[in-house]
Amino acid sequence: AQSVTQPDIHITVSEGASLELRCNYSYGATPYLFWYVQSPGQGLQLLLKYFSGDTLVQGIKGFEAEFKRSQSSFNLRKPSVHWSDAAEYFCAVAQADRGSTLGRLYFGRGTQLTVWP
Amino acid sequence: DTEVTQTPKHLVMGMTNKKSLKCEQHMGHRAMYWYKQKAKKPPELMFVYSYEKLSINESVPSRFSPECPNSSLLNLHLHALQPEDSALYLCASSQDNGRAGRNEQFFGPGTRLTVL
Repeated sequence: AQSVTQPDIHITVSEGASLELRCNYSYGATPYLFWYVQSPGQGLQLLLKYFSGDTLVQGIKGFEAEFKRSQSSFNLRKPSVHWSDAAEYFCAVAQADRGSTLGRLYFGRGTQLTVWP
Repeated sequence: DTEVTQTPKHLVMGMTNKKSLKCEQHMGHRAMYWYKQKAKKPPELMFVYSYEKLSINESVPSRFSPECPNSSLLNLHLHALQPEDSALYLCASSQDNGRAGRNEQFFGPGTRLTVL
């Protein structure tokens, strides 16, 4: 089974500061990687995804992530954080079940982002 | 329309009640998912439907009974739940076109369930 590690449970940054959320995965083949954001009491919204090609992926809300195969990492970044970015962030890797046409998502435990004004 | 809707938003039920959660999407997706999410935890997969057939059941207790009446609707029937079943229940949908793993899942806002 695949696994995703988000080493930081909670990160606090000041508004306007840069942000990097870490994600490491274990997967034998080329991974399909995702970052989701969840505001309190809400569902998950996809920020960005990586399947192949350019290892620097641009997403919504000014976020980007970089895939580094050598480090098995897919870290999320934003150059200048806004107060509205405060939320829970989940990294996920998808794996296709044998004999299935669907991919199963394996989530990291999440990183809670607090933004100071 | 890229929205997954879920009703009700909140549900409080006793351990002897029977209730249902409803999920709807109009994106033409043929795969639909139920997840359970406890506070401060990632979502846990419960069930997956593909083309209205149950594809995955993650050994969920029988007090949870999923139903997919058509390609746009997904229900979760609840009966004799326990207080530890209190959680946020998320529905998601995706395409099912053979590109396993590459199909983005779209999530609904969830139903906050409290079992007394």
